[in-house]
Amino acid sequence: GENVEQHPSTLSVQEGDSAVIKCTYSDSASNYFPWYKQELGKRPQLIIDIRSNVGEKKDQRIAVTLNKTAKHFSLHITETQPEDSAVYFCATNQAGTALIFGKGTTLSVSS
Amino acid sequence: EAQVTQNPRYLITVTGKKLTVTCSQNMNHEYMSWYRQDPGLGLRQIYYSMNVEVTDKGDVPEGYKVSRKEKRNFPLILESPSPNQTSLYFCASSFMWSPNTEAFFGQGTRLTVV
Repeated sequence: GENVEQHPSTLSVQEGDSAVIKCTYSDSASNYFPWYKQELGKRPQLIIDIRSNVGEKKDQRIAVTLNKTAKHFSLHITETQPEDSAVYFCATNQAGTALIFGKGTTLSVSS
Repeated sequence: EAQVTQNPRYLITVTGKKLTVTCSQNMNHEYMSWYRQDPGLGLRQIYYSMNVEVTDKGDVPEGYKVSRKEKRNFPLILESPSPNQTSLYFCASSFMWSPNTEAFFGQGTRLTVV
């Protein structure tokens, strides 16, 4: 089945720094790559997604890049703020039927 | 308000006592799924459904059952719960029959099996 590897598992940055989280996947048929943010005690919520026909997408301080040849995609957060502290999950669709998540990255932003 | 509603939010039960966690969405979504979240393991898919009466196993289906008799409801059934099913469970739904649009998650159900 699909395997989604996510790194790092924990990431600590200073406020104002950038944070990068990377994911690799195995299914070459995957065509949808969302990122979810889960704050402590809350449900996961979509923050940005990208489809296979696009290489990069930006939304204010967050961006996602996709390299289909290498089968990896990354989340970039610039000018981090304390409220960015959360667990971030990457995901991808497997064979068009299952949404498979990475194991998550705990991001801590200290002020 | 568009939402996915799970019940109960918290449940403590004993080994072997059948239980059902309900999930309902009011967005007319085609795709629904159940995940369990355990520390260090992320979100693992238990079962999913692409349409009414269509369900399939995810990565960790053992010990669980589901049904999709109506579009809006997707209950998770544990026929004989065991302590290794102690976890945080999330139901999710998305618009298309295939998971290539935003997944909306319920509030979560924290289950403890003693």
